[in-house]
Amino acid sequence: GAGVSQTPSNKVTEKGKYVELRCDPISGHTALYWYRQSLGQGPEFLIYFQGTGAADDSGLPNDRFFAVRPEGSVSTLKIQRTERGDSAVYLCASSLKPSGRYGQETQYFGPGTRLLVL
Amino acid sequence: AQSVSQHNHHVILSEAASLELGCNYSYGGTVNLFWYVQYPGQHLQLLLKYLSGDPLVKGIKGFEAEFIKSKFSFNLRKPSVQWSDTAEYFCAVILGSNFGNEKLTFGTGTRLTIIP
Repeated sequence: GAGVSQTPSNKVTEKGKYVELRCDPISGHTALYWYRQSLGQGPEFLIYFQGTGAADDSGLPNDRFFAVRPEGSVSTLKIQRTERGDSAVYLCASSLKPSGRYGQETQYFGPGTRLLVL
Repeated sequence: AQSVSQHNHHVILSEAASLELGCNYSYGGTVNLFWYVQYPGQHLQLLLKYLSGDPLVKGIKGFEAEFIKSKFSFNLRKPSVQWSDTAEYFCAVILGSNFGNEKLTFGTGTRLTIIP
C-alpha cells in the first residue's frame, strides 16, 4: 500500500517568507508526527497529533512554527518569517493509534521535504 | 542535553566482517529503544525495537540488539555484514512511561560503509 507522502520534496524560499509543508499519512493511521533533521544530526521531534488534536507540541522551536490537522488525516506544517536556521529536512511519520503501551506502534516515515532558506 | 549518544560517526567495514554500533542513552527511568535505518535514497525505516521482556531483540535482515540496563546501552549487532547494509543507522528512544508519550529522541546517527 501507499506509504507516507510529503510535498513538496524540495522547497527553496527567501528569508522572511512563509512556507507550508504537507504530509499525507498512511490511510487509517490516526497518529501523525513531524520531525526536523538538520545536516549531520538525527531527526528532532516537533509535534505529534492524535486525530485532529496536537497531543504534544513541545518540540516546536518557537511561535513561528505551527501545524494543523483539521480532519485527522492530512497535516500541514506552517513556518512564518522563515530564517536561514530553519533550513533542514522536515520529516513526517504516521502510526496506528497507540494502543496503550507507549512506543508499541511503529512510526512510518515519509521521504521528507528539504527546505532551504536563502 | 543529549539523551542518546552514538559515538561512531562513520564506520567502514569489509563484507563478511562483524558489526557492532554503539548506542547509549542518559535517562534513569523506563525507556523504549529503537534502531532505524536509512538506505541511500530511501526513507527511514524501523530495524528493530525493545519494549519489554527479553533484552536481546532480533530485527530484520539479520540484525539484533541487546538492551543492557546497567550500562544504559542498546548496541546494534550483525555477525556478517553485506554490501547492501551500507546505510545510515539511527538509535532512538522514547523516554518515560506516560501513556501517549510517543516522542522519539534520536541519536546523531552512524554512517556505515561496506566495502565489497
